[in-house]
Amino acid sequence: QQKVQQSPESLIVPEGGMASLNCTSSDRNVDYFWWYRQHSGKSPKMLMSIFSNGEKEEGRFTVHLNKASLHTSLHIRDSQPSDSALYLCAASNQGGRALIFGTGTTVSVSP
Amino acid sequence: EAAVTQSPRNKVAVTGGKVTLSCNQTNNHNNMYWYRQDTGHGLRLIHYSYGAGSTEKGDIPDGYKASRPSQENFSLILELATPSQTSVYFCASGDVGWGQNTLYFGAGTRLSVL
Repeated sequence: QQKVQQSPESLIVPEGGMASLNCTSSDRNVDYFWWYRQHSGKSPKMLMSIFSNGEKEEGRFTVHLNKASLHTSLHIRDSQPSDSALYLCAASNQGGRALIFGTGTTVSVSP
Repeated sequence: EAAVTQSPRNKVAVTGGKVTLSCNQTNNHNNMYWYRQDTGHGLRLIHYSYGAGSTEKGDIPDGYKASRPSQENFSLILELATPSQTSVYFCASGDVGWGQNTLYFGAGTRLSVL
């Protein structure tokens, strides 16, 4: 059973639109979340991390975290064709040294 | 940025053969990881290491061995390769510490077992 679940599986967003991605952990020991982005044929690269309840914004990207429900979300505003990629959510627990990844959400931005 | 180099980049192996995937990092990270990526499964953790001489099992270790002979090198070994091990394999390294687990990935190795 996947410990980190992501939804939706895929998403088509018009250029300039908003993309919203969700991630939930079924492991109650999880404390930290990351979002990685993987362009086609490339390796994953860390996009954003969030460790505390609330919201964090970096440019066009915003992440939210609710630790009580172990739910994080990533929002991409003013989506660009270069945002088309696989978005992977990852989680670990305090002191944990291994990141567990979800199955990912494929985002396609249509011009 | 952290540099993680994997070799080979592509490999075709025969069923029952031995395959060794190599990974080298030059950033003195203590932790190194091997993941495989398959459509519909995301990244799944195979083995990881806290430092030279240590290896730990991840979520899907069956059929794989790992070796960490030095801080810089971490290998994944398939003693008897099977077609189900056809996949893209990623090595990663990362900082140690509470919440400081940003991983830096290599370019990946595409393995086909025929």
